[in-house]
Amino acid sequence: GAVVSQHPSWVICKSGTSVKIECRSLDFQATTMFWYRQFPKQSLMLMATSNEGSKATYEQGVEKDKFLINHASLTLSTLTVTSAHPEDSSFYICSAWTGGGEKLFFGSGTQLSVL
Amino acid sequence: QKEVEQNSGPLSVPEGAIASLNCTYSDRGSQSFFWYRQYSGKSPELIMFIYSNGDKEDGRFTAQLNKASQYVSLLIRDSQPSDSATYLCAVKTSGTYKYIFGTGTRLKVLA
Repeated sequence: GAVVSQHPSWVICKSGTSVKIECRSLDFQATTMFWYRQFPKQSLMLMATSNEGSKATYEQGVEKDKFLINHASLTLSTLTVTSAHPEDSSFYICSAWTGGGEKLFFGSGTQLSVL
Repeated sequence: QKEVEQNSGPLSVPEGAIASLNCTYSDRGSQSFFWYRQYSGKSPELIMFIYSNGDKEDGRFTAQLNKASQYVSLLIRDSQPSDSATYLCAVKTSGTYKYIFGTGTRLKVLA
């Protein structure tokens, strides 16, 4: 299957700081990438859809000024959690859509802990 | 509200048995169906996808789809302890990029 790389795997930060998470499609071009959030023992919650060269589309209830998404190229999307707070602590997962194949492949996820 | 529902489990089966995981969905326009396996602390891994009614087999895994009943299932034959994980059902509606995930079923295969 397609390879999606996500970094960092885990990050611990202080409250009020910003954290950037990178998501790269390594062996294909991803015009569309998705960012999910997952709390323990819960399912994936779609936060936003990222399209290369355009503004991200955020799901209802997700603050676009807090979760900044940039999809600058066909292989890279970034999620920046600005002014992080302890309630932002979660497992963040990116995924890339392979287009015609309709399959969704996931990055390895980033565990964010905000102290 | 488009929904995908799964029994959260845990579903416990003995090693070597068949594990049967079920998923129902509410949107009749759904066209593509996926099963992902997620180990604790890891991201989901695609194990099966199915688009047409009927069965699709891949090794020890069989996906079954019944669009009339809005039901999709995953069978795991000869279950192994390494199959112990949470299995997520995902549904994609034609014409959209959105995948709706169920809450997952936790499977425990007992050695």
